[in-house]
Amino acid sequence: GAGVSQSPSNKVTEKGKDVELRCDPISGHTALYWYRQSLGQGLEFLIYFQGNSAPDKSGLPSDRFSAERTGGSVSTLTIQRTQQEDSAVYLCASSLGISGELFFGEGSRLTVL
Amino acid sequence: QKEVEQNSGPLSVPEGAIASLNCTYSDRGSQSFFWYRQYSGKSPELIMFIYSNGDKEDGRFTAQLNKASQYVSLLIRDSQPSDSATYLCAVNSGYSTLTFGKGTMLLVSP
Repeated sequence: GAGVSQSPSNKVTEKGKDVELRCDPISGHTALYWYRQSLGQGLEFLIYFQGNSAPDKSGLPSDRFSAERTGGSVSTLTIQRTQQEDSAVYLCASSLGISGELFFGEGSRLTVL
Repeated sequence: QKEVEQNSGPLSVPEGAIASLNCTYSDRGSQSFFWYRQYSGKSPELIMFIYSNGDKEDGRFTAQLNKASQYVSLLIRDSQPSDSATYLCAVNSGYSTLTFGKGTMLLVSP
């Protein structure tokens, strides 16, 4: 596609529920990243994919968080048993290889009540 | 622990002035340096990158890099109200993912 596409754009859920966030990167971009940004805060790195493998998942905050990427394209970030502190904007970005030239999606805003 | 430090601001400048945004980083092995702009409620977008010591100019923007001092800066000449945003400095060591600073908010008043 023309840009990085994320869905849903907004998600409100109850504490304890599971959520899935989807990212469709720019066609041909082999690297895909997940970040999250809480209100007024910087970007917190979560996980990085090169193709379908995740060489760096050091930023995942707990084992409630997982991510996968299939076909070297679409990625899904899953948060199980959501907590209020999970409320944030989850940003996906893609790039050609591992470089700093990231192209970000518009984000998925997650609110956990 | 790789760290990227920025003054959170806000940095307030009048329209037409030069805005100077600064960033320091802790990892001496860092190889590439990026400036992203983030408008309120929007996603970050890349505006400049620099790999070598010295200056790199692109229109009204100049990125400056001093590896010896572990210091990166972004100058915006003839600042416009539309430049009001948060500017994120990001650093890449070449074998890992980007580390972002928390950003500096810039406010350009008409």
